[in-house]
Amino acid sequence: DAGITQSPRYKITETGRQVTLMCHQTWSHSYMFWYRQDLGHGLRLIYYSAAADITDKGEVPDGYVVSRSKTENFPLTLESATRSQTSVYFCASSGAGGLTEAFFGQGTRLTVV
Amino acid sequence: GENVEQHPSTLSVQEGDSAVIKCTYSDSASNYFPWYKQELGKRPQLIIDIRSNVGEKKDQRIAVTLNKTAKHFSLHITETQPEDSAVYFCAASMRSGNTPLVFGKGTRLSVIA
Repeated sequence: DAGITQSPRYKITETGRQVTLMCHQTWSHSYMFWYRQDLGHGLRLIYYSAAADITDKGEVPDGYVVSRSKTENFPLTLESATRSQTSVYFCASSGAGGLTEAFFGQGTRLTVV
Repeated sequence: GENVEQHPSTLSVQEGDSAVIKCTYSDSASNYFPWYKQELGKRPQLIIDIRSNVGEKKDQRIAVTLNKTAKHFSLHITETQPEDSAVYFCAASMRSGNTPLVFGKGTRLSVIA
């Protein structure tokens, strides 16, 4: 199906474990983004990518790692999960950075215990 | 960098009344201003957007106005219905346009039947 999909939808992990959230889009959008959503903070940008093999930090990058070896995939890895990383994570894509609509995935609810 | 302030954080209106959400931005070079609606448990989705060469845009019951001089833009919803209840996010492009949208913190709108 065309669109942007995230997996898993829900994840519970323990403190200190490595976790990878997956994001896949079928539009061949050049830009992809990772946001986290917490009550009272809205959507905060973690990392973004303008093209394959090009990534850049957002507002809250600490504790996260991204890669983009293929245009369609943009995985987000929590190297050593902490309770403060409990959040809802949204992946998004757009054709032209901040100049056009960003399409969001359905989100991943991550709980770190 | 760009900063987007959104007010109010919560808004309750009676069904049939109008709702107005306001955002201010800091970068005078910003030129793209989308609004997203996020229903409970769902992903944010674009409902309307405006570019800096336009002062107002309407789509049925929703409208957006832009005041470039004052650097603020507003979302207007008329004849509100219960299904308008959601969190609304404004966003603004940054100067370069090649970097992601900056989002406001969101407004939780409740339409009371």
